[in-house]
Amino acid sequence: ETGVTQTPRHLVMGMTNKKSLKCEQHLGHNAMYWYKQSAKKPLELMFVYSLEERVENNSVPSRFSPECPNSSHLFLHLHTLQPEDSALYLCASSQDLWGRSFTFGSGTRLTVV
Amino acid sequence: TQLLEQSPQFLSIQEGENLTVYCNSSSVFSSLQWYRQEPGEGPVLLVTVVTGGEVKKLKRLTFQFGDARKDSSLHITAAQPGDTGLYLCAGVGSGAGSYQLTFGKGTKLSVIP
Repeated sequence: ETGVTQTPRHLVMGMTNKKSLKCEQHLGHNAMYWYKQSAKKPLELMFVYSLEERVENNSVPSRFSPECPNSSHLFLHLHTLQPEDSALYLCASSQDLWGRSFTFGSGTRLTVV
Repeated sequence: TQLLEQSPQFLSIQEGENLTVYCNSSSVFSSLQWYRQEPGEGPVLLVTVVTGGEVKKLKRLTFQFGDARKDSSLHITAAQPGDTGLYLCAGVGSGAGSYQLTFGKGTKLSVIP
């Protein structure tokens, strides 16, 4: 148990589907992140939230929509995805934006068909 | 754009052998982190090095931060099958946006019993 829980662990969706990824942390951290991990590429930062406020959106397509209802929960809403969006989506948290210790969840393996 | 190059990309060795993996950049980082990621899991933080020239040891793992804070190495002594995984280095910048981690692509290590 890493303290950051992601569900579902695996997801297969069609290009016209709408689905959501969920992340929950029990560490009392104030910052949460979404990363995308694709084969042969470095981890890509997608979104950053601090105290439920979005502070970073790294040119992510609008078919990815984040939501942070409170400091313990983070969602990534997906719609009209493309096959190239298939990847491992990782959630992470840190004490605050300037904390140097990041805790990652186990990820959601997403396959778009 | 800050980039981190990791080498080698893949490494397969016999149990008991020693190995070193490298993380290099042309950019200066305020600190550098090493993570290990096992299949189907998220990255787990191993160590953070902050000071140029710093050496940290974690059992059989020795981490070094370059004097100029642009590069780092990870040396494993007497590798064990449990060391198998993807080793990622991540640099923490300075100034605006310094909460962002820049990840390398990783070194995939296989230790054969």
